[in-house]
Amino acid sequence: AQTVTQSQPEMSVQEAETVTLSCTYDTSENNYYLFWYKQPPSRQMILVIRQEAYKQQNATENRFSVNFQKAAKSFSLKISDSQLGDTAMYFCAFMKHRTNDYKLSFGAGTTVTVRA
Amino acid sequence: DAGITQSPRHKVTETGTPVTLRCHQTENHRYMYWYRQDPGHGLRLIHYSYGVKDTDKGEVSDGYSVSRSKTEDFLLTLESATSSQTSVYFCAISGGVLVTEAFFGQGTRLTVV
Repeated sequence: AQTVTQSQPEMSVQEAETVTLSCTYDTSENNYYLFWYKQPPSRQMILVIRQEAYKQQNATENRFSVNFQKAAKSFSLKISDSQLGDTAMYFCAFMKHRTNDYKLSFGAGTTVTVRA
Repeated sequence: DAGITQSPRHKVTETGTPVTLRCHQTENHRYMYWYRQDPGHGLRLIHYSYGVKDTDKGEVSDGYSVSRSKTEDFLLTLESATSSQTSVYFCAISGGVLVTEAFFGQGTRLTVV
């Protein structure tokens, strides 16, 4: 089984500043995907960013970027120019790349609060 | 938004009663999931389906069963509800153009009293 660990239960950041969320995972797989999901107070789960393990280049989506360290099994999320709308819980997630086995495993989450 | 609907959205039930939650999708996605979300635990996988009548257990499957008789519906049944099953339940689907992209329902808040 895969485990995903988020060691920061809560983080606070000033508007327009940068915050980095940590995630580590444990797996014996070589092919897999990593994700960051955002859950605002509305409870809706929103995909923020995706990283394929076979790609060395770190994924970027506008103000969101990741630092993927495959050997260290680390997958951190950086939010630049933080906005009030970024206030949410953020989940790191892992998915194997195997036919009929696309189970998605989540970390415990990090609550991010952006201060005005 | 992906066409995924959970019903009911809220339910209060008594200990010992059976409860069924429904997940309905209009995307024809192959994979469907049931999760529960509890404070401090994130989302934990209860059951997973990789096709009609093809299901697999997740990490917290005790006390839950599922059925998928057609592509669009994935039912989660609490055979005899307990207070420890009070939670928010999410259904998700994947298997579209980007097979790894998962879409989530809006969640069902279940309270067992």
